Amino acid sequence: QLQLQESGPGLVKTSETLSLNCTASLGSIDTNSYYWGWIRQTPGKGLEWIGSIYYGGNTFYNPSLKSRVSLSVDTSKNQFSLRLNSVTGADTAVYYCARHTYLVSFGGAIVVRWFDSWGLGTLVTVSS
Amino acid sequence: EVVLTQSPGTLSLSPGQRAALSCRASQSLGSSDLAWYQQKPGQAPRLLIYDTSTRATGIPDRFSGSGSGTDFTLTIRRLEPEDFAVYYCQQYGSSSLTFGGGTKVEIK
Repeated sequence: QLQLQESGPGLVKTSETLSLNCTASLGSIDTNSYYWGWIRQTPGKGLEWIGSIYYGGNTFYNPSLKSRVSLSVDTSKNQFSLRLNSVTGADTAVYYCARHTYLVSFGGAIVVRWFDSWGLGTLVTVSS
Repeated sequence: EVVLTQSPGTLSLSPGQRAALSCRASQSLGSSDLAWYQQKPGQAPRLLIYDTSTRATGIPDRFSGSGSGTDFTLTIRRLEPEDFAVYYCQQYGSSSLTFGGGTKVEIK
């Protein structure tokens, strides 16, 4: 069964860039069956979708974060990554990576859907 | 952005009782574009239900989902001790995915 593991610094300075990786095991991200997503959780705002990426590089972003977020994928490492720049204390959260189902609509549009497998999550604190 | 409002915030029940959790969307989700997750302390959310009423793999049949349009319900038929947790709904009817604020089901 697929396992996902987030990794990266637990402390990031204000105004700098948060970078996290998600490594998959017991399954490949190099598949046309799924997208790969990032979600964060804070006590104040709850669960917030950040964005999702396909192994081929196609991405979807939360409009509220789009200007600061970049997702990438490295199939050779079976890994996908998140970069969030210009962070503030409001970006302090538990960050999860997850496998994301999708479908192709009749019009050919990609529709990302639910998350069926999650990593354990990693706490990132933003502080000066 | 579609806002999901979950109610009640907390549900205090005893094992064996039935739980009904509500998720209301700020605009119609069209077909059935809603999922439910369960989260226990210190753990990631776990998918319970997708497409409003389809149970995910391995989810017991005491969990059921229903609804359409803007009103959705997760029902737990008879609460087991392991069901006391926080439950979230998530919509994918719009291109910007959103989650509800959660309902905590606690032991009375």
